[in-house]
Amino acid sequence: RKEVEQDPGPFNVPEGATVAFNCTYSNSASQSFFWYRQDCRKEPKLLMSVYSSGNEDGRFTAQLNRASQYISLLIRDSKLSDSATYLCVVNAGGGNKLTFGTGTQLKVEL
Amino acid sequence: NAGVTQTPKFQVLKTGQSMTLQCAQDMNHEYMSWYRQDPGMGLRLIHYSVGAGITDQGEVPNGYNVSRSTTEDFPLRLLSAAPSQTSVYFCASGDVRGGQPQHFGDGTRLSIL
Repeated sequence: RKEVEQDPGPFNVPEGATVAFNCTYSNSASQSFFWYRQDCRKEPKLLMSVYSSGNEDGRFTAQLNRASQYISLLIRDSKLSDSATYLCVVNAGGGNKLTFGTGTQLKVEL
Repeated sequence: NAGVTQTPKFQVLKTGQSMTLQCAQDMNHEYMSWYRQDPGMGLRLIHYSVGAGITDQGEVPNGYNVSRSTTEDFPLRLLSAAPSQTSVYFCASGDVRGGQPQHFGDGTRLSIL
């Protein structure tokens, strides 16, 4: 079983739609969680950290369910510019070593 | 406002050649790391460092060496390039404390013929 699993997609959605991605992790000792965004052939960039109580940043909402070991990302009012691959990232302790999911591809269409 | 700088951006090597991928950061981060990204595999950790003089292996260290003589620089050396090392390589830096995000360089695209 992979340490961090994501549905690879692609998710094709119309502009303005709401879309949600889930991610599961296997290490129950995981302590920190992030969503990164990666555009085609570019470096990953931090989208947002994920906190236990859930957190929101504009159109983006992240949730963490420790009991079920999954993380979610909700994007409201999708824009064309949201088209990218979204990487679920987990820190399982031991300093700052991160484990990356393979990513979920989002395509927002007119 | 440089952040994490990687050089070169592109490189083609022949099997058996050696080379060094350079990585420098100007954010005074203690933690630095190297990843490779292959289609369908996600980013995999090659080596990492928690400070000058300290390095450790990640998930896929074979065929690569690193050193950390200064806080700013973390070069990755390919000892004898193999076609299986064709990949995109990313360097990242961050706070050494867990729970902090890492910042990535814009990558080196390496092809081994």
